[in-house]
Amino acid sequence: AQSVTQLGSHVSVSEGALVLLRCNYSSSVPPYLFWYVQYPNQGLQLLLKYTTGATLVKGINGFEAEFKKSETSFHLTKPSAHMSDAAEYFCAVSDHQAGTALIFGKGTTLSVSS
Amino acid sequence: DTAVSQTPKYLVTQMGNDKSIKCEQNLGHDTMYWYKQDSKKFLKIMFSYNNKELIINETVPNRFSPKSPDKAHLNLHINSLELGDSAVYFCASSQRGHKNEQFFGPGTRLTVL
Repeated sequence: AQSVTQLGSHVSVSEGALVLLRCNYSSSVPPYLFWYVQYPNQGLQLLLKYTTGATLVKGINGFEAEFKKSETSFHLTKPSAHMSDAAEYFCAVSDHQAGTALIFGKGTTLSVSS
Repeated sequence: DTAVSQTPKYLVTQMGNDKSIKCEQNLGHDTMYWYKQDSKKFLKIMFSYNNKELIINETVPNRFSPKSPDKAHLNLHINSLELGDSAVYFCASSQRGHKNEQFFGPGTRLTVL
């Protein structure tokens, strides 16, 4: 069975600092990997995804993530945090079969201070 | 234009009542889902439908029944509501061949008193 572990339920950074949100997955086959962001009282918005090909994936709002098969990781980074990045971030995994469920991590709350 | 919409956004009701949450997507997708987000923000799949056929039915009480009148709609009906049903329910959709990228609705916050 697939699973996702997000290390650190809460990450705090200063505005302008590097953002690093960690995600490790467990899967018997190379999965699809996703990062979603949830702003307060809103739905989930896709930040970026890895399916195949280039292991460094760029997403919206300056975020990127690197798929490392050997480490079973898909960490999310942003070089310089902005106040508007404060939100809940979810890493998710799915297999390649169409229509399968996303398996989510427990989420990481990102706080950004000025 | 809203891609995935849900109504209502907030739902407050008494224990024992029956309620429905509606979901519509205008993306032309062929697969729709219901996820539940609990008070600790943990998200878990409940159901998924492809072309109006149930393809995922996780272990949820049979008080929960999804209904898909057509490809663009997936409603969630809940009978005999319990306190533990209080959560945020998200509808999502995806299209076969698009690497399982799922688009989420804004959520419905259900509060059972």
